[in-house]
This record gives sequence, structure tokens and C-alpha cells, in this order.
Amino acid sequence: QQQVKQSPQSLIVQKGGISIINCAYENTAFDYFPWYQQFPGKGPALLIAIRPDVSEKKEGRFTISFNKSAKQFSLHIMDSQPGDSATYFCAASRSGNTGKLIFGQGTTLQVKP
Amino acid sequence: DTAVSQTPKYLVTQMGNDKSIKCEQNLGHDTMYWYKQDSKKFLKIMFSYNNKELIINETVPNRFSPKSPDKAHLNLHINSLELGDSAVYFCASSPGGIYRGRYEQYFGPGTRLTVT
Repeated sequence: QQQVKQSPQSLIVQKGGISIINCAYENTAFDYFPWYQQFPGKGPALLIAIRPDVSEKKEGRFTISFNKSAKQFSLHIMDSQPGDSATYFCAASRSGNTGKLIFGQGTTLQVKP
Repeated sequence: DTAVSQTPKYLVTQMGNDKSIKCEQNLGHDTMYWYKQDSKKFLKIMFSYNNKELIINETVPNRFSPKSPDKAHLNLHINSLELGDSAVYFCASSPGGIYRGRYEQYFGPGTRLTVT
């Protein structure tokens, strides 16, 4: 029940295309869903986050779509750029808890010029 | 003006040795974490302190001992290092979710530990 499943494991997209990464969770008590971006040799950096009271959140080219009934959420990167090439992690956490994040397995994105 | 810093960045040591990793945050956050990232890039929580109090202690060998001298610092000491301890260890901090309703976590640059 604590797992967060992420797919695909790797993704290759052409410059200008849309990158889509999906995550699914089991624990309905989760109510905070962030996405992190990690470049090689660096720590994960918070990209965008959503709570289940909204179905979509957009920040620039990055959008989270959230489907509470399906217990799924996804990251869409519009107009993907070579600089977006990185590993992306979804995560989930529960309010009133310790802030403990459960991470997905990660998706390595390569955007080809 | 680094937000979350870790030292050292690289650590190469032999099996059986004892080593420490240090973490400092200047964000004024109450909560700090240690994560382990394995060779497949999977991130897993190890420990968390809130204002010097241990609040998360995952199933981690007791060779790993965290210490928080104050809320801006969280160190990780590892005794009797084993080959399987080789990984990247990340420190993170957050404002203190259960107290302030904010859960975003900010990660340090990581410490790559190699045990030979």
C-alpha cells in the first residue's frame, strides 16, 4: 500500500514533442504528489506538486494531471527541450504524517535535438 | 548561499571502516531527512528529524546512526561499512510539514559513497 509505481522506465522524445510520465498509487490517504527532476550528479529538485482537490496544475511547460478515482497522476512536459533530459521522479506523501515521501522508480527522459 | 549542503561529495573507503557524512541547511527549516539512492536510482527514506527529534527511522541497519546537533544540521554516521552500503546519500530539508502544512523537500547535492 505504500508503493508508488512509475512508468515508463525510460523515454525518448523529439525536441518540441510532449513527454508523458505516469504514476499510480494505492494508499488513498496520500494527499500530496510532487514531481522531482534530477540531473546527473545533482540532487533531486522539486519541479511541481499537486494536491487531490484539483485535477490539473500547470507551471510553464510542466503540467500535472491528477485522477483521484483511478489513483493515478501524470507529468506532461510540453514542447520538450534537450535541456529537459533528466531523470524524473513522482512521489506521494500523507498530511499529518512526518512528510515522508514515497518515490516512484524514476523515468529517464532523453530529448533528441 | 547554498540551501542544503553536504560534505564530502565523494567518499571512498574500505569495508569495515567507519565514516560520517555531514549536512547543513540554511533555509530555516524544521525537518531534515536522509535518503539513499541505489545504483538503479531508487530513492528511499532512511531517517528524518524534526527540530532535533527523530521522527522517521526506517528499516535501516543499526550500523547507520543519524545525529542532529541542532535543527540546521543532520549528520549520518556509518559503522563497519559493507559493500552494499555503496550508494548516493542525499540530505533534504522541508519547512516542517506536520507543523506548517508545507511538505516540499529540498535536496542537497548528494554524497557518493563507494565501499571497496
